Amino acid sequence: EIVMTQSPATLSVSPGERATLSCRASQSVSSNVAWYQQKPGQAPRLLIYGASTRATGIPARFSGSGSGTEFTLTISSLQSEDFVVYYCQQYNKWPLLAFGGGTKVEIK
Amino acid sequence: QVQLVQSGAEVKKPGASVNVSCKAIGYNSIMYGISWVRQAPGQGLEWMGWTSPYNGYTNYAQKFQDRVTMTRDTSTSTAYMELTSLRSDDTAVYYCVREGLDWNHDVLSGYYPAQDYGMDVWGQGTTVTVSS
Repeated sequence: EIVMTQSPATLSVSPGERATLSCRASQSVSSNVAWYQQKPGQAPRLLIYGASTRATGIPARFSGSGSGTEFTLTISSLQSEDFVVYYCQQYNKWPLLAFGGGTKVEIK
Repeated sequence: QVQLVQSGAEVKKPGASVNVSCKAIGYNSIMYGISWVRQAPGQGLEWMGWTSPYNGYTNYAQKFQDRVTMTRDTSTSTAYMELTSLRSDDTAVYYCVREGLDWNHDVLSGYYPAQDYGMDVWGQGTTVTVSS
């Protein structure tokens, strides 16, 4: 089993400030990590794949980094619509695909 | 417009089965795999399994191995997920998701995408409620 651990569970940030979300894998998953954003009542949306590549249509304020076991999602300047939940996911080891528990970004 | 359109909400009794459908619109669905992901109320995301493009080979999470069947009908661009022996903790929103181009296979991993760019198109979700 591969466990993806996200921290913190809740992140309090002011609008316009930078948010840094962390995700740690229990074993190396190379760069096969994706990040998703989920708004209340909606399906998740792919933000980042390959640890650092923005998906189609994703604003440049979202960026991803990391490899191996440590990954980061950075939102450079938080907009009102960014205060929602984010999940990381590894897709390196099949059939052990796993999501992290999520980080909720809330308004400080 | 590229989208996945799922069937409507279901209410089932414990021990019953549920079949959720997922129709691909706006792209050549034969080229892409489909994963199924569920989300219990107030909880995170859980991957259930994947069907490959072209041949519909399957790869299931161990937790669901003996209760889930995923199939695809290429003539109608529709994927299906059947979950049997339902329990109350199967109450969740079930999503179909586009994932992966082509497929590879090895003994350890089973079938998996040859090219994987994450889960890039999500269905709207199907709520399945299991209650006596």
